[in-house]
Parts: sequence; structure tokens; C-alpha cells
Amino acid sequence: DIQLTQSPSSLSASVGDRVTITCRASQSINAYLNWYLQKPGKAPRLLIYAASDLESGVPSRFSGSGFGTDFTLTIDSLQAEDFATYYCQQSYTTPPYTFGQGTQLDFK
Amino acid sequence: EVQLVESGGGLVQPGGSLTLSCAASGFTFSNYEMHWVRQVAGEGLEWVSAINSAGDTYYPDSVKGRFTVSRDNAKKSLYLQMNGLRAGDTAVYYCGRDSGVGAIDHWGQGILVSVSS
Repeated sequence: DIQLTQSPSSLSASVGDRVTITCRASQSINAYLNWYLQKPGKAPRLLIYAASDLESGVPSRFSGSGFGTDFTLTIDSLQAEDFATYYCQQSYTTPPYTFGQGTQLDFK
Repeated sequence: EVQLVESGGGLVQPGGSLTLSCAASGFTFSNYEMHWVRQVAGEGLEWVSAINSAGDTYYPDSVKGRFTVSRDNAKKSLYLQMNGLRAGDTAVYYCGRDSGVGAIDHWGQGILVSVSS
């Protein structure tokens, strides 16, 4: 199975900061990489699909890039509502569709 | 508006069985691949199963042979039959709709399954 490794596991930042989270796949997954945000007690929310496509309704301060094995999620000008846990997920070919272990973004 | 509502969770003894349901509305259910994802308290997300529009099913090794995903397109419902439950299966279970590229673009609110004696 394809493994995903996110870094860092946790991150402290302030409102207005630019933040980058990385996700590395154990083998090439082309652009089949998705990003989610999850707040405590809530279901995850899709932010980015196919590595760089912004899901409808997601603010443009979120962006994704990468191809193959290395991917990044960037949040420009952090807002208070962005403090949450972020997960990457690969959807290459048929399932299993694994998730990364998560990156917790906290207020500094 | 797309809505997914899970039901059927609760407390079950180790070795027992439970069936989760997910009622879908607001979209043409039969056209979409559907997923189950779970989350142990305080931990990350774990993909549990998927069923595509043709009825093909997929599982990770951790649940293969114990869990069965199915769908009833006429009832717009997704199911997860869980047998041989273990303490490690205790988690919140979410159903989700596939966007078409393997991303899950809509999620249910989640339902708790507790496996304990």
C-alpha cells in the first residue's frame, strides 16, 4: 500500500502568517493527492483535490502543488478559522486510499 | 443540498456485529462511488472501505474479511456491516461521497462505534 508522510506533525503560527505543510508519498501517485481540514468534533472538509485544484467554496488563500511523490499545501495570510488539523490523502488508481497522519496547526 | 446522515452506531461487545447505515440526499446517489472513513478518538483518519457505482468493493487489510460495504440505490443508502469487532475498531465512522477523482467532497456528521465488554 502507498504510505503518506506529512511534515511537520504540528505547527504553531499567527494570524497573517504564511504556512506550508508537506506530504510525501512512498511511490509516485501522479497528481492524485487531496487535502482536508478538520476541526475538533467535526467531519473533515475537502480543500484541494488533484494536488492543486481548489474545491468549490474554499478561500483562495489555500493552494496546493506537487506531482509524483512530493506535495505541499500552502495557506497565505492565516485566518483565525484556519487553526485546525490538516490531512493529505492519496487516491491513486484503485483503493486503498490512505491518509497522512495529520498536521495540527495551532495558534502561536 | 448534498446530505449524508449516518445511523446504527452504538456499544457492542468484542466479537460482535453491527451495521452502519448512511442515508444520502441531494444528489443522484447511484452515480457516485461512496466511502467509509473512521477516526479513533484523538487520532488520524483511516480509510475503511469504498464501493463504486458498479458495486465493486475495496477494503484495507485491517478490515478485509470482517467488514462488508454495500449499497441500495433505490433507497439511496450506503451500509457497512462489521463483524468480529475488536476494541481497536472503536471510532467515529464517517460516510463520504467521492468527487470522481477519489477525493471525498461531502461527509456525514459521523457516528460513534464503541467495542467494549
